[in-house]
Amino acid sequence: GAVVSQHPSWVICKSGTSVKIECRSLDFQATTMFWYRQFPKQSLMLMATSNEGSKATYEQGVEKDKFLINHASLTLSTLTVTSAHPEDSSFYICSARAGTGNTIYFGEGSWLTVV
Amino acid sequence: GENVEQHPSTLSVQEGDSAVIKCTYSDSASNYFPWYKQELGKGPQLIIDIRSNVGEKKDQRIAVTLNKTAKHFSLHITETQPEDSAVYFCAAKDSNYQLIWGAGTKLIIKP
Repeated sequence: GAVVSQHPSWVICKSGTSVKIECRSLDFQATTMFWYRQFPKQSLMLMATSNEGSKATYEQGVEKDKFLINHASLTLSTLTVTSAHPEDSSFYICSARAGTGNTIYFGEGSWLTVV
Repeated sequence: GENVEQHPSTLSVQEGDSAVIKCTYSDSASNYFPWYKQELGKGPQLIIDIRSNVGEKKDQRIAVTLNKTAKHFSLHITETQPEDSAVYFCAAKDSNYQLIWGAGTKLIIKP
């Protein structure tokens, strides 16, 4: 099946710094990518939807200036957590969809710890 | 908008027995229903999906059934094995083409 690669799989950063997480579709062109946040023992919380070449659409309550999303190509989307704080520590997961198809494939997730 | 409810939140079954997880949805326009399996510390993996023009779909030990009238769909796992232990999420694709997620079911397979 299709593969979505997410990098890094885990990262520790200092409070106040920024960290970038990459999401790549390896064997298909992803016109739409989604970024989720997941707290322990909870479901996936959609943060934003990004379409290649256009601005991301953020869900209510998600600060777009804090969570910068760039979808510069059909195979790459990035999430940058700016001025990270300990409360931003979480599991971040991306997913990707090819064209207008139904199937959505997920990356392996990135554990962010802000100290 | 669409609302998806998933039950139970935790399910413990004996190895070899069957497991059933149920989801209900509210938007009758939803037409695509995937099931994902998430192992600890990993991203969700699609295990099976069903479209609204089909009532049942099977893939080896896994099956999904859909009742459009009642607006519910279920995941069935037969002959459960220890590696089936994970969190399972159902989802429904709403009229805005977004996936709306259930809360998840932690499946525990007892040896």
